[in-house]
Parts: sequence; structure tokens; C-alpha cells
Amino acid sequence: QSALTQPASVSGSPGQSITISCTGTSSDIGAYNYVCWYQQYPGKAPKLILYDVNNRPSGLSNRFSGSKSGNTASLTISGLQAEDEADYYCSSFRRGDTLVFGTGTKVTVL
Amino acid sequence: QITLKESGPTLVKPTQTLTLTCTFSGFSLSTSAVGVGWIRQPPGKTLEWLALIYWDDDKRYSPSLESRLTITKGTSKNQVVLTMTNMDPVDTATYYCAHLTHYGNTGGNLDYWGQGTLVTVSS
Repeated sequence: QSALTQPASVSGSPGQSITISCTGTSSDIGAYNYVCWYQQYPGKAPKLILYDVNNRPSGLSNRFSGSKSGNTASLTISGLQAEDEADYYCSSFRRGDTLVFGTGTKVTVL
Repeated sequence: QITLKESGPTLVKPTQTLTLTCTFSGFSLSTSAVGVGWIRQPPGKTLEWLALIYWDDDKRYSPSLESRLTITKGTSKNQVVLTMTNMDPVDTATYYCAHLTHYGNTGGNLDYWGQGTLVTVSS
């Protein structure tokens, strides 16, 4: 099954805001408000940072926020910090109760 | 505190069957709205979802790999087992298991992950 589409890389300077897009179809992102975002450092397991488009797990920084419009979801990181340099993946449930991940985006803090 | 840990062979030969076990603590797979999923990540590549098993023993598989995958609850109540048949070098990846919190008719999030285990497929 085809993955959700993300930009390969996004960069920004400390303090800036960046946005990562995640494009799917009417069978996944467009069908449900069950988009999640994961942060992954090299050699580490992914960590959930947003669920249901724009909900943060307890204790997660409010610098991370999400939105959705049609078949595209977005993750915004505000007040970019050096510790935000990582890979980010979106995911969504798809009709048929299957799960699909995005292609991943490498965030670089300049 | 929810923890998960993957275990299994680090090296398998082409055509062999891979069996991975996810041993977890801090939750019960008999509790409503709970699931366990398997996800893999080839070196330097993206995440790929493989399978899910829910508290009620409902199961879901990646359509592209469904014919090769089986997910089951283990003989121990705190284990989930994934088998993948006919392994190929392209299946070389880090394999993760994760706790799923389920809600709605179709929804949920993978909120706790194991550390992952690297499986290499080579003769």
C-alpha cells in the first residue's frame, strides 16, 4: 500500500516555526481525524508527539501543533530548538482498518 | 508504566520463517480498547506498518504483506507473536512492537514503543 507523502527535509533557524505536510487520500487522511505524528532520533524508537490531528500526549511540549485540511495534515513546530532536529513521521488509519505511515521528514536546525 | 521489548533471531536465511515475540508489561491485552502493533524500518528508510492485534483478538494486516504475516497472542498473557514467512534480504529491518490505544470505530495511536530489534536476512 502506498505511503503518505511528506517532504524529505525541512530546515529552520532556532526560534523560527516550520511546517511539515503529510498528504494522503480520501481513504485515509481525508476519511478520519486519526492522524498521528511521531518523532524519531537516530537509532531510537519513534515517539508519539501528536494524535487525533492536534492532541498532545501528556507532558509533550506545546510547541508542537497539528492541523488537517482535506487530504493533507500538517505538523507545525514553533520556537524551533536544537533538540527538535530529528525525523518526523505522520500516520493515519485507512479504510479497512489498516494503518499507513508517511515517507518521513528530516528536520534540520540551522 | 508500559514497556515493550522485542525478541527473536538477529539473522535469518532467505526463504526461512521469522518469528518475533513482543513481551510487554504495564497493560493487559484483555482490556478493552487495547492493541499491539508491529512496525518495521529498513536501515535508513521509512516506517512500515505490518500488523495489529486487538484485545478482542481482531487482527489487521498490511495488504502488501498479508499473505506472509501472522499475528497472535502468545501463550503467555503478556506476549504477542509475529511470524513472517519466506524471508528475503529486502526484509532486513529493525522490527518494533508498540502498544495501541484504540478508540472510535477506526482509530488509535501507537503510544508506547519497544526499542526495536534488528533482523538481517542473509545467506
